[in-house]
Amino acid sequence: DADVTQTPRNRITKTGKRIMLECSQTKGHDRMYWYRQDPGLGLRLIYYSFDVKDINKGEISDGYSVSRQAQAKFSLSLESAIPNQTALYFCATSSGGGADTQYFGPGTRLTVL
Amino acid sequence: GENVEQHPSTLSVQEGDSAVIKCTYSDSASNYFPWYKQELGKRPQLIIDIRSNVGEKKDQRIAVTLNKTAKHFSLHITETQPEDSAVYFCAAAKLNTDKLIFGTGTRLQVFP
Repeated sequence: DADVTQTPRNRITKTGKRIMLECSQTKGHDRMYWYRQDPGLGLRLIYYSFDVKDINKGEISDGYSVSRQAQAKFSLSLESAIPNQTALYFCATSSGGGADTQYFGPGTRLTVL
Repeated sequence: GENVEQHPSTLSVQEGDSAVIKCTYSDSASNYFPWYKQELGKRPQLIIDIRSNVGEKKDQRIAVTLNKTAKHFSLHITETQPEDSAVYFCAAAKLNTDKLIFGTGTRLQVFP
């Protein structure tokens, strides 16, 4: 779905480096999410935001921070990357209002050496 | 917190056979249960969902059933085709939160 984009798509970094993953959407959705996908562990929620002034921790927020710069933009930061943060990261959006479909971005594959 | 268990982790079927993937959830307050399909190298996409006020929902070759008493829900795919090969994730949520808790996924392989 071209309406949710993520940059970069692939990133290799070193332990201790700061890195930011960015998500943008043109769907006009208020709700945005960051997930992490690891083999055998499924999708785990890191942070979510229901509007620009709302930020909430998910299941696995330690070591991550987020910023909701605008309705359309939601960034995920790793302040000091570590190897076990190597994973596939997905951003998602939904319009809210109950049981709404979440639309995922294409994912960012992050490798921390 | 909510926990969602999904079985099996891998499933291989012959083309034309049926496939069933099962999930259990822990929070009895959960009332929304979507299923997402993720093809290799692609993003997850919603294929079907069910709310707790119904016991079954069908969409062509796929169906989802829900047993609220047992806290089980299942995805049924009939007449499987090679393009059904993917990883399938179940999830559970409370309607007023939109916070999905995902299962660990099932890799379905359909052999011609």
